Amino acid sequence: AQTVTQSQPEMSVQEAETVTLSCTYDTSESDYYLFWYKQPPSRQMILVIRQEAYKQQNATENRFSVNFQKAAKSFSLKISDSQLGDAAMYFCAYRPGANSKLTFGKGITLSVRP
Amino acid sequence: NAGVTQTPKFRVLKTGQSMTLLCAQDMNHEYMYWYRQDPGMGLRLIHYSVGEGTTAKGEVPDGYNVSRLKKQNFLLGLESAAPSQTSVYFCASSFRGKQYFGPGTRLTVT
Repeated sequence: AQTVTQSQPEMSVQEAETVTLSCTYDTSESDYYLFWYKQPPSRQMILVIRQEAYKQQNATENRFSVNFQKAAKSFSLKISDSQLGDAAMYFCAYRPGANSKLTFGKGITLSVRP
Repeated sequence: NAGVTQTPKFRVLKTGQSMTLLCAQDMNHEYMYWYRQDPGMGLRLIHYSVGEGTTAKGEVPDGYNVSRLKKQNFLLGLESAAPSQTSVYFCASSFRGKQYFGPGTRLTVT
């Protein structure tokens, strides 16, 4: 069974600084997708970024980028120039290529200090 | 285009009562899902559906039933609510691997 591990329950970052959120996963599949979701206090789940396992290039979306290490099964999210609106819970998620189901990590609460 | 909507947004039940949560999507998606979110646990899949008339069990299906009589609707039922089912419930639909989430339903069972 696939597992997704987010070992840090909480992190804090100063506004305008950079923070990295860690995620590791376990799978025997070769084709899969990885995601980071943001959940602000409104509870709405928002897709931040996604990475296809077959792509070597790390995905980037504006201030958000990932460090995908396939051999190490590591998928970290880097947030640059942190803003107050980035404060939220962040979930790492995994989806096998041939399956639509998502497996989520337990999440990390990110706070941003003004 | 409303996306994914959930009814109700909040509900308080007594132990043993039953209720149905409604999820509706107007994007013509085939795949739909029900998750529950508990503190420190992330989101866990309860049941899912890959098309009208089909349903399948997820990671934590016990105590829940689902139906997908119409493509746009996915219903989650609790026949006899228990305090352990106190949670926030999310519905989602997906297309080409991207999941679209509803706003969630906060359910409290006393």
